[in-house]
Order: sequence, then C-alpha cells, then structure tokens
Amino acid sequence: DAGVIQSPRHEVTEMGQEVTLRCKPISGHNSLFWYRQTMMRGLELLIYFNNNVPIDDSGMPEDRFSAKMPNASFSTLKIQPSEPRDSAVYFCASSSNEEQPQHFGDGTRLSIL
Amino acid sequence: SQKIEQNSEALNIQEGKTATLTCNYTNYSPAYLQWYRQDPGRGPVFLLLIRENEKEKRKERLKVTFDTTLKQSLFHITASQPADSATYLCALTSGGSYIPTFGRGTSLIVHP
Repeated sequence: DAGVIQSPRHEVTEMGQEVTLRCKPISGHNSLFWYRQTMMRGLELLIYFNNNVPIDDSGMPEDRFSAKMPNASFSTLKIQPSEPRDSAVYFCASSSNEEQPQHFGDGTRLSIL
Repeated sequence: SQKIEQNSEALNIQEGKTATLTCNYTNYSPAYLQWYRQDPGRGPVFLLLIRENEKEKRKERLKVTFDTTLKQSLFHITASQPADSATYLCALTSGGSYIPTFGRGTSLIVHP
C-alpha cells in the first residue's frame, strides 16, 4: 500500500505565479478530498470528489483556485494567480467511500513570496 | 454557528500516565466522530471512529468516549510513551453529510 502520494513536497514561488499541486489517491478509493492547513484556521476542506466528480467545492476560497480529477488515480489543485495569503500546507486525502476514514498524504508546503 | 473546540494548550504528561484529550462541540448533530494523530511534517493518520449510538470504543492503549448529551468526546491513551507525542485532531461528521469538520488539535508531549 503506497498510500496517498502528493507532489511536490515543498513549493516556493513568487506571487502572481501559477501553482499546481498533484495528488495520487490510494488505488481503489473513490472519494478524494483537498484540504488546507494553517496555524490560524486549522484544517479546512477545500473540495471533495466522489467517483471523479466534484461534489462540494464550497470551501474553495475564490476563483483563483481550481481542482480537477481527470481519472481515478490523479487530481490537481491549481492556484492562479498565487498570493502570499495562499501560503499553507495543502493536503490530499482519499477514502474507499464517503463514510470511511480518510487516508492523508504528507502534504505540500506552499510558500508564496 | 457550529464549533469544535480542542484545548489549544499542549498537554504535558509523564511517561506511563494516562493522557486524556477533550473535544467539545456546539450546534452539531454528529453521526460520528473520529480521532486522528498528526506528526510534524506529516498528514493526519486515522486512529478511531465512534458513532453517535456508541458510548465507548477501544483499540489497544486507546479509548474514546462519546457523550452526545454533554456534546463531548474524550480520548485516552493509557500507559503513555514518548512515541505518543503528537498533535491529536478530532473530526465530526453530521448526519446526512460525508464531510468531516476538524478541530484544530491538541499537542500531547509525553516526557520520559
């Protein structure tokens, strides 16, 4: 079991640049979640997919954020243009179905200068 | 508004003692509650899930209680070890929803 794989582990870029975060869920899991974690706000859900379809994106902060899941083994979270306030750790998690506990990746630590 | 509260102050205990962490909530009707462990630089790891109709759940040295009247869950680690040092997050899922809402976690430090 390889677990949820996220890349990159760290990203440092200048404001205004496009940032793409990647996630490979556990094989056979059909629910995928993107979270953002900061000291101030804790762990916040951004969007979740079920069977590759976005079900709830109410946590996406604004139009600068977008997420896709083109197939069952890959998802991306894109920020364009990035701003310093987007600096946080972004986690991807997957579960075998919506009611099961989630398996988290080790996150992408994003710093926007 | 819905709120989940975990003690923001770190809990310091001596090795071998029982650690007890608290998760309080308001304005929720949780279907179930989960506890996760998070180590620095890592993602949260699932530990235990307890449903609204269950009072207590155990797994090895871990025990979770769930009191829907008090709107509180307690998480116990017996015979604590320095390796138990981490941040522990509780997460509530309301009936009819599949999305857990996480508390901000409590840091546990077990001293040898």
